[in-house]
Amino acid sequence: GQQLNQSPQSMFIQEGEDVSMNCTSSSIFNTWLWYKQEPGEGPVLLIALYKAGELTSNGRLTAQFGITRKDSFLNISASIPSDVGIYFCAGQLKTGANSKLTFGKGITLSVRP
Amino acid sequence: DAMVIQNPRYQVTQFGKPVTLSCSQTLNHNVMYWYQQKSSQAPKLLFHYYDKDFNNEADTPDNFQSRRPNTSFCFLDIRSPGLGDAAMYLCATSRASGGNEQFFGPGTRLTVL
Repeated sequence: GQQLNQSPQSMFIQEGEDVSMNCTSSSIFNTWLWYKQEPGEGPVLLIALYKAGELTSNGRLTAQFGITRKDSFLNISASIPSDVGIYFCAGQLKTGANSKLTFGKGITLSVRP
Repeated sequence: DAMVIQNPRYQVTQFGKPVTLSCSQTLNHNVMYWYQQKSSQAPKLLFHYYDKDFNNEADTPDNFQSRRPNTSFCFLDIRSPGLGDAAMYLCATSRASGGNEQFFGPGTRLTVL
């Protein structure tokens, strides 16, 4: 089945630094989603991307849908302590009414004050 | 605010004692999903409803059942919980058309004693 690759499993950065996370797939998707999950909570949607090449920002977050439709990246600029959490990418290939998500394994981000 | 609500947030049950988790939504979305998430893993889809149509994942154990009495509510029934069923259970919703990104509830943490 489809798999998404997110690595490394953990990232440690200093407050104020920028960080970039990649997500790659062996097959194409027509939607890419980035979620953030904090301990004990559900994933929160950060950015949704619908077109190959699309670049979308949400505050300090910027994400892009790769031209090949097999990858996406998320950038966080000027990190702050509350950026700590697990960042999941998810791909969606809608066929008819079926719109299941394929998740990456997530990247745990730590921000040192 | 439109949202996905899960109750209770924490549930403790005994080995083999049936338990029901509930999810409600004010987004008026057609599709509702149940995921199981274990520690340090991505959410795993158990099943979803497209309106009243139930769609079970092939590897979801028979021990897990679901009910959707109306658009707003969906229930997850675990008939005979085992120790391996201890996990975070996430409900999500999406529209059936257009940008059909999934929105998650806060989750219910299930403990099996």
